[in-house]
Amino acid sequence: GAGVSQSPSNKVTEKGKDVELRCDPISGHTALYWYRQSLGQGLEFLIYFQGNSAPDKSGLPSDRFSAERTGGSVSTLTIQRTQQEDSAVYLCASSLMAAGNYGYTFGSGTRLTVV
Amino acid sequence: KNEVEQSPQNLTAQEGEFITINCSYSVGISALHWLQQHPGGGIVSLFMLSSGKKKHGRLIATINIQEKHSSLHITASHPRDSAVYICAVCPLGGNQFYFGTGTSLTVIP
Repeated sequence: GAGVSQSPSNKVTEKGKDVELRCDPISGHTALYWYRQSLGQGLEFLIYFQGNSAPDKSGLPSDRFSAERTGGSVSTLTIQRTQQEDSAVYLCASSLMAAGNYGYTFGSGTRLTVV
Repeated sequence: KNEVEQSPQNLTAQEGEFITINCSYSVGISALHWLQQHPGGGIVSLFMLSSGKKKHGRLIATINIQEKHSSLHITASHPRDSAVYICAVCPLGGNQFYFGTGTSLTVIP
């Protein structure tokens, strides 16, 4: 696609439910990143996929968070047993290859509200 | 942990003023990224640079690699420039950018 597409744009869920957030990167971009932005805060790194390499999961805040990237394209971020502190905007970004050479293109984010 | 510091945190300016936002970092980098985020909106890339200066319209970005410092300038500021401006750096040999907490700019008509 022309840009990075994220869905849904907004999600309200009850505490304890599982949610899935989707990211469709720019076609041909091998690198994909998930970030979280809480209200008034900077971007918090969650996970990074590069091609067929094992993902860098070092930013995932707990084992309730997981992500996968199928076929080197679409990625899904799953949050199990959601908590109120999970409320944030979840942003996906993709890059042609190494981000330092090509920079990021961001999606418009998914605003998650846990009630 | 890579430190990226921006100043000021908040900035209010009158329309037409020249604006400077600063970014300092503590490690050697391969690239620095300036991004813009409007309220409720997505994040848009403004510049990516590794040396010197880049200009696009009323926006100018400079970087001094030796001093580990970058500035974003906005000439003839306009209310539509009101947004959060974010600096991010990619460390040498790294594969991702690390972000500052942003500078919130409000331009008053």
